[in-house]
Amino acid sequence: QVQLQESGPGLVKPSQTLSLTCTVSGGSLSSFSDASYYWSWIRQPAGKGLEWIGRIFPSGDTNYNPSLNGRVIMSIDTSKRQFSLRLYSVTAADTAVYYCARGNYGSGKADYWGQGTLVTVSS
Amino acid sequence: DIQMTQSPSSLSASVGDRVTITCRASQAISNFLIWYQQKPGRAPKVLIYAASTLQIGVPSRFSGSGSGTDFTLTISSLQPEDFATYYCQQTYNTPRTFGPGTKVDFK
Repeated sequence: QVQLQESGPGLVKPSQTLSLTCTVSGGSLSSFSDASYYWSWIRQPAGKGLEWIGRIFPSGDTNYNPSLNGRVIMSIDTSKRQFSLRLYSVTAADTAVYYCARGNYGSGKADYWGQGTLVTVSS
Repeated sequence: DIQMTQSPSSLSASVGDRVTITCRASQAISNFLIWYQQKPGRAPKVLIYAASTLQIGVPSRFSGSGSGTDFTLTISSLQPEDFATYYCQQTYNTPRTFGPGTKVDFK
């Protein structure tokens, strides 16, 4: 059973950088580096819908949501089975629950998710 | 970006009811459509992928149909544990986009 766990500060000041890490456990050790999967970040403001932030492949290739205006960088460390999100120049509008998830290359389904972590942007 | 819409935005139903939720894409997405269920305080859970394929472990009362721009999620007989919010998502291209959600609550 694959498990994902987000970690990082729950409070970030405006204009600063939001940094989160997702640690993957369970499943086969090689599955994290398997090209059949990729690793995503999704967020959800309180009481609102889901927003796709982006994804990273084991190769390090990435796709980001253009709505974030180039403020996103994702990275991956296959040896630690971790991937990370950095969101720069945050504002109150970036306050949300942030989820990490595993995507399947063929269908695109996100079949395993972290429990989510609330990040609040406030001074 | 592909825009996803859902209807209704909310509905009230009773246990045993047949429930249908529709999702429409702003352009053709073939069958690259996922349905998720989300309960309060929990991460979304995949129900259906490729528009009509039931995810392993999901009860058979859930079904999906459609292709192109119009899709449907049906719950054949609503159970107490099905009261939740349902989202569709297109996986045809990036950025992936979600519908705004349909909240199913008690009548």
